[in-house]
Amino acid sequence: DIQLTQSPSSLSVSVGDRVTITCRASQNMAIFLNWYQQKPGKAPKLLIYAGSNLHSGVPSRFSGSGSGTDFTLTISSLQPEDFATYYCQQSYTIPTFGQGTRLETK
Amino acid sequence: EVQLMESGGDLVQPGGSLRLSCAASGFISITYAMTWVRQAPGKGLEWVCTIKGGDAFTEYADSVKGRFTISRDNSRNTLFLFMNSLRVEDTAIYYCARAIDGSSSTFVYWGQGTLVTVSS
Repeated sequence: DIQLTQSPSSLSVSVGDRVTITCRASQNMAIFLNWYQQKPGKAPKLLIYAGSNLHSGVPSRFSGSGSGTDFTLTISSLQPEDFATYYCQQSYTIPTFGQGTRLETK
Repeated sequence: EVQLMESGGDLVQPGGSLRLSCAASGFISITYAMTWVRQAPGKGLEWVCTIKGGDAFTEYADSVKGRFTISRDNSRNTLFLFMNSLRVEDTAIYYCARAIDGSSSTFVYWGQGTLVTVSS
């Protein structure tokens, strides 16, 4: 199985901050990497698919980049509704998720 | 509008069985890959199993292989997860999710989840 390592595990941030979360894969998986947002008590929501494609309805402040083994999720200017946990997930082989990155208020 | 509604979660003793359902609306489920993902309390997301669109090929995580069975009733547009020999470590919220197409593992739509608690 492909292992995904997210960093950091948690991040203390403020509204307006530029936020970057990384996801590193244990092997090359081209662009088969997705990003999800999950708020407490809610189901995950797809943000980015195939590395850099913004899912319908997702604000443009979210962006994804990377290929191979290294991927990044960027929030250009954090909004109050963006405090959540973010997961990367690979769709190259049997699906696996990263361990999550929790955004907390600084 | 695409909607997924899970049901069937309950408190069950170790070694017991349970059937989860996921009622789909707004699309024809046979066309898409459908997946169960679980989340233990306070933990991250774990893929459980998938049934592909069309040929209904199935795949399972090693942690549930031989104990869980995914299937669907096309006439009712409903996905099922049959869970046998349940263990304490199977305790989690179980989400059903629809993929972007018949073979993908990109999960576009999710249900609200149903809680399975395995405890004596």
